[in-house]
Amino acid sequence: DAKTTQPTSMDCAEGRAANLPCNHSTISGNEYVYWYRQIHSQGPQYIIHGLKNNETNEMASLIITEDRKSSTLILPHATLRDTAVYYCIFYTGTASKLTFGTGTRLQVTL
Amino acid sequence: DAGVTQSPTHLIKTRGQQVTLRCSPKSGHDTVSWYQQALGQGPQFIFQYYEEEERQRGNFPDRFSGHQFPNYSSELNVNALLLGDSALYLCASSRLRSPNRNEQFFGPGTRLTVL
Repeated sequence: DAKTTQPTSMDCAEGRAANLPCNHSTISGNEYVYWYRQIHSQGPQYIIHGLKNNETNEMASLIITEDRKSSTLILPHATLRDTAVYYCIFYTGTASKLTFGTGTRLQVTL
Repeated sequence: DAGVTQSPTHLIKTRGQQVTLRCSPKSGHDTVSWYQQALGQGPQFIFQYYEEEERQRGNFPDRFSGHQFPNYSSELNVNALLLGDSALYLCASSRLRSPNRNEQFFGPGTRLTVL
């Protein structure tokens, strides 16, 4: 199964940008990078995905390095409600299962 | 528009018993996936159903089985429950033919405790 490496935990002050890194050095050319988050006691929630180009939506931005071996999820102005576990996942367009690691626990503080 | 719903919310069973969990997908979705999430771990893929057939399966024993109905809702059955089956069971729905079929919508989960 595809493998990603993320820091176990991170802290961020409210109002600041939260930058969550992910290494996926074994990613291949047709594999997308997806980010999900899981707020305590809820199901995971889709955030954003990308293949090569940087992406932005109403929730976050995704920066993918040129060699595609790593990416960074950016929450531009973190709030307390962004406290959650963030998962970086990648897989091919032909597969539909999500392979979760242990993710990064982001704690947003006042 | 209702999202993914799951029932029951919580369930307590004893070892050796059987359990059935239920999931209704988001409106317009035709594919249902099931995941098991142990405490402190990320969700683990169990299987996925599309057109009433099991399309993909993760590394789970045959004690775990499922079903999808014509209205796209789904059931997860677990036989001969073990203590290790205690977990949060998540259902996720998606639309297979969508350009963004890997955007899966998750339900709130069913918390199963096996005593």
